[in-house]
Amino acid sequence: AAGVIQSPRHLIKEKRETATLKCYPIPRHDTVYWYQQGPGQDPQFLISFYEKMQSDKGSIPDRFSAQQFSDYHSELNMSSLELGDSALYFCASSLADTQYFGPGTRLTVL
Amino acid sequence: LAKTTQPISMDSYEGQEVNITCSHNNIATNDYITWYQQFPSQGPRFIIQGYKTKVTNEVASLFIPADRKSSTLSLPRGSLSDTAVYYCLVGASGSARQLTFGSGTQLTVLP
Repeated sequence: AAGVIQSPRHLIKEKRETATLKCYPIPRHDTVYWYQQGPGQDPQFLISFYEKMQSDKGSIPDRFSAQQFSDYHSELNMSSLELGDSALYFCASSLADTQYFGPGTRLTVL
Repeated sequence: LAKTTQPISMDSYEGQEVNITCSHNNIATNDYITWYQQFPSQGPRFIIQGYKTKVTNEVASLFIPADRKSSTLSLPRGSLSDTAVYYCLVGASGSARQLTFGSGTQLTVLP
């Protein structure tokens, strides 16, 4: 069965640079979620989109923005990167209640 | 969102039944209980979801008492590959609901 696809899988950036993470949900899933998981921490919700509209917002820094496109894929844009942004970023998608997570993008900020 | 409490860690042995209990004393009437499994550097994987009594799938069983203030995830025969972090989450059903991860349980299955 098709799963959530995230790209890139690994990304290395310098401080103050920008990064764009992409998420391709499971086909026919209409909702996308973004989570951040720092080293040794639990996943933290960032933001979600339902039918291309922002539906919920968590602890997402103002330096981050996201959107969902007409084909339902989503992009998380991160600017002015800081060392503390180094983390695993997961995308999840759902059609109803159950969220299915992608493999994640590991972002390292040097 | 209802807060959950789980043991930080637990050990079990290969072939033994594994039971992980989660407390959610202030669960709301329309809240469901969902369990996820996470391996290091991988995305959380949905295991099972339930509302009351018992739910069973090909991977695990979920036991929920009548007062719904706790739940127990049961893996019938623990294997080494079950070593992972297990998260219990409680929240209302419906699309676009964020998941609030508490501190999960690090399960280690020993040979």
